[in-house]
Amino acid sequence: NAGVTQTPKFRVLKTGQSMTLLCAQDMNHEYMYWYRQDPGMGLRLIHYSVGEGTTAKGEVPDGYNVSRLKKQNFLLGLESAAPSQTSVYFCASSYSKRLLARETQYFGPGTRLLVL
Amino acid sequence: AQSVTQPDIHITVSEGASLELRCNYSYGATPYLFWYVQSPGQGLQLLLKYFSGDTLVQGIKGFEAEFKRSQSSFNLRKPSVHWSDAAEYFCAVGGYGGSQGNLIFGKGTKLSVKP
Repeated sequence: NAGVTQTPKFRVLKTGQSMTLLCAQDMNHEYMYWYRQDPGMGLRLIHYSVGEGTTAKGEVPDGYNVSRLKKQNFLLGLESAAPSQTSVYFCASSYSKRLLARETQYFGPGTRLLVL
Repeated sequence: AQSVTQPDIHITVSEGASLELRCNYSYGATPYLFWYVQSPGQGLQLLLKYFSGDTLVQGIKGFEAEFKRSQSSFNLRKPSVHWSDAAEYFCAVGGYGGSQGNLIFGKGTKLSVKP
């Protein structure tokens, strides 16, 4: 049981390049989330998904797109990377079938992204 | 507006000393409260959570937290700190009103431990 995994662990991009971050969970969780973490800012929600085929915007969605084609995977895309997107990206998941359980999120190890 | 405040950006304590990390929240609905810990270069690990019932909750690694509704606080405590507790700690709040299960995080408190 790997929990929540993220690939890649680290990536360097040039401004304008595109890339996709992959999050996978093997806990059969319904809900999945993408956060970014910046120094002194805590975690901010980018996008989230409440189930396969559904996504929604979080607090800081601009410049990102997401897809949830399979229940276990949640992809975060950067179509045209900008230096302001240099950050550490965390994926999380939670189980929604029981009301209170959906509030407990399990996090992946993070992806460090540097945009030059 | 919903928010979480962790007043202390950085705290240094001596190994073996007691620890209290502060967390204050503003949330319109019934709050559910969490503390997460992040070791350097790692993801976030859940330390403990409060949903209802006993306002003093026990977590992993010897941590506990007390929910005080009148003070809108959920402070994290540990009676004797170990060097391995050096990390960054995040308080978060969620609630029944959030159908998507979103959490609002504080900006974190970095804990350093002196030998």
